[in-house]
Amino acid sequence: KNEVEQSPQNLTAQEGEFITINCSYSVGISALHWLQQHPGGGIVSLFMLSSGKKKHGRLIATINIQEKHSSLHITASHPRDSAVYICAVKRRGKIIFGKGTRLHILP
Amino acid sequence: SQTIHQWPATLVQPVGSPLSLECTVEGTSNPNLYWYRQAAGRGLQLLFYSVGIGQISSEVPQNLSASRPQDRQFILSSKKLLLSDSGFYLCAWSVRWGGTDTQYFGPGTRLTVL
Repeated sequence: KNEVEQSPQNLTAQEGEFITINCSYSVGISALHWLQQHPGGGIVSLFMLSSGKKKHGRLIATINIQEKHSSLHITASHPRDSAVYICAVKRRGKIIFGKGTRLHILP
Repeated sequence: SQTIHQWPATLVQPVGSPLSLECTVEGTSNPNLYWYRQAAGRGLQLLFYSVGIGQISSEVPQNLSASRPQDRQFILSSKKLLLSDSGFYLCAWSVRWGGTDTQYFGPGTRLTVL
């Protein structure tokens, strides 16, 4: 079993829908990152969380340390949000990546 | 502001040929530097990280090596490429001391080994 699991693996939604991507991990961590990888391959760091909730524009990330679970939400989704979203956790100086969630927003 | 450069952007190499990918960071000093690989259909894999000049830690045994000849330069090399080395190679940096632990990624190099 992977130490970091993301769900769903693939998600297609209509423009305007509220999107939730989940990340569960099985190890103790010091931080959790959400990354966005665009179709060309470039990666952007969206959030780094160690507790609670963060918001940036239409993106919201939450983490529940006790339940070892984080969610990434996108409100009022738009076709330009189409990308692969990757969850990564930091544990004892090492980073463990989830396999990503491929999101496709239809116009 | 900080920027991270990688080159080349794409590379096609025959099996058995050498490899050199370069990553440079501008606008910051003393960064942590990382090399990642993303193989087709697979997630990101950390290959090497460096906390300073000449200090390299290898995460995965393979035929690749890394060097850090200058504070803001990180090089990924191979003497003889394998087919399995094909993938998307990403360099990243983070603040070493007192930072938020956020990693900033370069644009990547897409390597195809034929």
